[in-house]
Amino acid sequence: EPEVTQTPSHQVTQMGQEVILRCVPISNHLYFYWYRQILGQKVEFLVSFYNNEISEKSEIFDDQFSVERPDGSNFTLKIRSTKLEDSAMYFCASSERGQNRYNEQFFGPGTRLTVL
Amino acid sequence: RKEVEQDPGPFNVPEGATVAFNCTYSNSASQSFFWYRQDCRKEPKLLMSVYSSGNEDGRFTAQLNRASQYISLLIRDSKLSDSATYLCVVNSDYSSYKLIFGSGTRLLVRP
Repeated sequence: EPEVTQTPSHQVTQMGQEVILRCVPISNHLYFYWYRQILGQKVEFLVSFYNNEISEKSEIFDDQFSVERPDGSNFTLKIRSTKLEDSAMYFCASSERGQNRYNEQFFGPGTRLTVL
Repeated sequence: RKEVEQDPGPFNVPEGATVAFNCTYSNSASQSFFWYRQDCRKEPKLLMSVYSSGNEDGRFTAQLNRASQYISLLIRDSKLSDSATYLCVVNSDYSSYKLIFGSGTRLLVRP
């Protein structure tokens, strides 16, 4: 069964450093997403991406964040200057369909980001 | 009012029991509804979409009441492996890609 993969599984970084989280979405999916989950809290939407551009983003997704699809398979989330409060599990997701219909989103196993 | 509201539980039930979870959502423009399950420190896994007519998948039945903005999930013949957190999820509105997650209802199935 096709699945979303993410690397690394755990990333530890110092405050102020840049991190890049990587994802390989399901191959025939066209819509890609990043969510995060702070420990003990609910899953929160960060950004959606379609046709090589951001289609929607949340208030959390400020100028420190960026996304890219550098090639035909990878989808990345970059945090330019990490803060302590960026510590969370980051999930990548993908879907075949977009808005206006049931866009069943399938999630990767996540990258646990720890900012010291 | 929270966008998606769920009873956090935990629901502690014996194997074989039937258990029901409920969820309410605040935005009447939401178009798509889902139940996901999440095991501890793992990713949300799609359990089922919830359609207006209600739908069933094996031991799982989901219902949607648009007028009351209410979604339910019924699990029959609970198994130990059903122990997890069940997340009620809706899309933001008809023009949005964003999924809004509830905080989840924790289920513990005991032998």
